[in-house]
Amino acid sequence: GAVVSQHPSRVICKSGTSVKIECRSLDFQATTMFWYRQFPKQSLMLMATSNEGSKATYEQGVEKDKFLINHASLTLSTLTVTSAHPEDSSFYICSASWGSFPYEQYFGPGTRLTVT
Amino acid sequence: AQSVTQLDSHVSVSEGTPVLLRCNYSSSYSPSLFWYVQHPNKGLQLLLKYTSAATLVKGINGFEAEFKKSETSFHLTKPSAHMSDAAEYFCVVSDLGNQFYFGTGTSLTVIP
Repeated sequence: GAVVSQHPSRVICKSGTSVKIECRSLDFQATTMFWYRQFPKQSLMLMATSNEGSKATYEQGVEKDKFLINHASLTLSTLTVTSAHPEDSSFYICSASWGSFPYEQYFGPGTRLTVT
Repeated sequence: AQSVTQLDSHVSVSEGTPVLLRCNYSSSYSPSLFWYVQHPNKGLQLLLKYTSAATLVKGINGFEAEFKKSETSFHLTKPSAHMSDAAEYFCVVSDLGNQFYFGTGTSLTVIP
């Protein structure tokens, strides 16, 4: 149980275009979803936290107009990278959480974004 | 405030020898602690977690960790390393909310 999927697993897009990444909780309802970014050989950096039906909370330094997050249902959150540039190339990982303390996050397999 | 320090950025062991990956934490509350493993270009897989029950926690693939409050440590161990254990390992602390605080990771190399 507690499986999280991401789609696509890899995407290549041209500079200036937008790309959408989906994160789905397959067998549970996620009250909260998280989006992380990971640079090579580094740890995960939290970008934003989203609760179903409300606006995402972005971490300091993350451009909310560039990284649009939508959490429209209890099983789906999307991250749209708008007007992508090569520096947005990275590994993006989502996670989902439910229930009460002690919380656990269930991680998706990640999406490799390459902007050319 | 919560934080995690992984004391070694890289650990190298020979196959069949013990593994020790060190983690110290700082938390204002009674923390939940996790160890995750990440293979290249993959997501994170939970190895084990501590949530205020038994202080010695057994996880998957022969890994275990001991919560030591007096030392604010949660070190990950395995008696005998296998080639498939080569990966990146992350220690994570969670607070009363559901935000995770990640360590910087330890890269484990297993030498044949």
